[in-house]
Amino acid sequence: DGGITQSPKYLFRKEGQNVTLSCEQNLNHDAMYWYRQDPGQGLRLIYYSQIVNDFLKGDIAEGYSVSREKKESFPLTVTSAQKNPTAFYLCATGTSGSSGANVLTFGAGSRLTVL
Amino acid sequence: GQNIDQPTEMTATEGAIVQINCTYQTSGFNGLFWYQQHAGEAPTFLSYNVLDGLEEKGRFSSFLSRSKGYSYLLLKELQMKDSASYLCASMDSNYQLIWGAGTKLIIKP
Repeated sequence: DGGITQSPKYLFRKEGQNVTLSCEQNLNHDAMYWYRQDPGQGLRLIYYSQIVNDFLKGDIAEGYSVSREKKESFPLTVTSAQKNPTAFYLCATGTSGSSGANVLTFGAGSRLTVL
Repeated sequence: GQNIDQPTEMTATEGAIVQINCTYQTSGFNGLFWYQQHAGEAPTFLSYNVLDGLEEKGRFSSFLSRSKGYSYLLLKELQMKDSASYLCASMDSNYQLIWGAGTKLIIKP
């Protein structure tokens, strides 16, 4: 089955630790995205990548880092510089950028809690 | 600034019809999306409108008025499984999605 796998589903972190969230896709989509979802707010874009070895900052990139070494994988690292990292993190894929009907497919999400 | 407004929560009865409204203000416009998200799960695509008018897809329909910056999602013959959050998102001139906070729909028997 084609899809997106995010892991872990739940993650607890102590303050000052970096954590990496995994996102793997077998949909052969060029574009991959990381969003953050907080209660009462819309999805906010952290980083996105439209091609291997290239990625762009979204609206709230500070305190996060990503890599795109292969088409299938787009891991997100939440660094200790992120002041309020507790949130639900969603990875998504889509067909490349400049198309109106760029329907996103989302992974099941990773819920990060900082203790 | 860019902004998407939709009601925080709505309640409806099983078997009835409900309309979820969304107003948007974005820098340019390349379409309006609706997604459904059950609690703790991934959002799933429902509809995309780029031209004015109504798009019908089974029990769900979506309407767009570009001149008014307005869209709605119409759900007919409501079922308990329709209890979810419904996310409205507008695509701006840079093909970036601007998301509303979502409308939590509660279906009562």
